Amino acid sequence: DAKTTQPTSMDCAEGRAANLPCNHSTISGNEYVYWYRQIHSQGPQYIIHGLKNNETNEMASLIITEDRKSSTLILPHATLRDTAVYYCIVRVALNNAGNMLTFGGGTRLMVKP
Amino acid sequence: GAVVSQHPSWVICKSGTSVKIECRSLDFQATTMFWYRQFPKQSLMLMATSNEGSKATYEQGVEKDKFLINHASLTLSTLTVTSAHPEDSSFYICSASHPGGGYEQYFGPGTRLTVT
Repeated sequence: DAKTTQPTSMDCAEGRAANLPCNHSTISGNEYVYWYRQIHSQGPQYIIHGLKNNETNEMASLIITEDRKSSTLILPHATLRDTAVYYCIVRVALNNAGNMLTFGGGTRLMVKP
Repeated sequence: GAVVSQHPSWVICKSGTSVKIECRSLDFQATTMFWYRQFPKQSLMLMATSNEGSKATYEQGVEKDKFLINHASLTLSTLTVTSAHPEDSSFYICSASHPGGGYEQYFGPGTRLTVT
């Protein structure tokens, strides 16, 4: 699985958009970008994933550059409850039950009032 | 949908005793579940892959005789920490792959183990 690089921490004002970058310059053509987050003392929560096209769901938007070497997770209107560690994971599609996830250091997002 | 539960949410035990942690997929069947461990201020580390009806696959460095995993049904996997020591104190998290959802992994809320 391709290695990812994320900033260690970021701050965001409540109500503003939070843009979390992730570099994955060695990504392969069949590898997806997955985002999870972990609120303190809880299990990780799936947010979104994508291959090459931008994706949006009720939680966030995922913008993947044309060369796929980096991506950005966007929380359009951050709230205090979005304070968490956000993990960017690059791997082949989770196309069977045995595919595991490898977590890096993630970005600690602090949403401030 | 796709809810994974863990029990207990926290446990304190004495050194030398064994502790069992349960992981259940509440609204779907999971042939494969995963067990992770997380120390304070660190990321999740995969311990083992639990397969229903067969032996678990352990990651390098994880003692299979110390961390016993049983996946007896499609909705339940258990992790037993045997002869626990203070260094086993950690946050243990399980996850399960949801087949209908493209196999995104759904995580339990975690179990905080403190060994005194």
